Amino acid sequence: GAGVSQSPSNKVTEKGKDVELRCDPISGHTALYWYRQSLGQGLEFLIYFQGNSAPDKSGLPSDRFSAERTGGSVSTLTIQRTQQEDSAVYLCASSSRQGQSEAFFGQGTRLTVV
Amino acid sequence: GENVEQHPSTLSVQEGDSAVIKCTYSDSASNYFPWYKQELGKRPQLIIDIRSNVGEKKDQRIAVTLNKTAKHFSLHITETQPEDSAVYFCAAMQGGADGLTFGKGTHLIIQP
Repeated sequence: GAGVSQSPSNKVTEKGKDVELRCDPISGHTALYWYRQSLGQGLEFLIYFQGNSAPDKSGLPSDRFSAERTGGSVSTLTIQRTQQEDSAVYLCASSSRQGQSEAFFGQGTRLTVV
Repeated sequence: GENVEQHPSTLSVQEGDSAVIKCTYSDSASNYFPWYKQELGKRPQLIIDIRSNVGEKKDQRIAVTLNKTAKHFSLHITETQPEDSAVYFCAAMQGGADGLTFGKGTHLIIQP
């Protein structure tokens, strides 16, 4: 299957620890998005990568959050010094063209900060 | 940046009736408007999308309309069925550097 893959699917971490969430987009997709979804809530935009352009980081909630995309493929979202309010499902999506085609979502990483 | 408002937050309709969900957007440069369906515990999936060069698009029981002048677009589901129960998200995007901005979602409940 060549869908968007995220790992881990579940992560429980202690408050104050750092976590890394990984996203493998569909091969060849140039656009990659990260969203956060709290229980029963909407899709909160975090960051957007498009090809070799500088990422749109306008949605990152604080400087504890960062993301990178190496070689235009795999992306890692890092949350430093996790807080309980960071608990949510983190969704990654990718699409093949610049803003004009379907975004395919991964299954998400459920992060629980205890 | 883009701001997308979605209404209602919850919609309950009788099976067989129609459902309409409405969204407005703020950036007149936005030109791509997809709708996603998210079933409980699952990932969002595209159900229909529309580009700014058309005013309406239909796919079986689902249709989307776009009014660029008023900056709003709507999802119409006819002859609703139990499997239509889900959360629906609208989104808007300007082609280029900006990401895909979603509305807050509508929880559609189909009453038997």
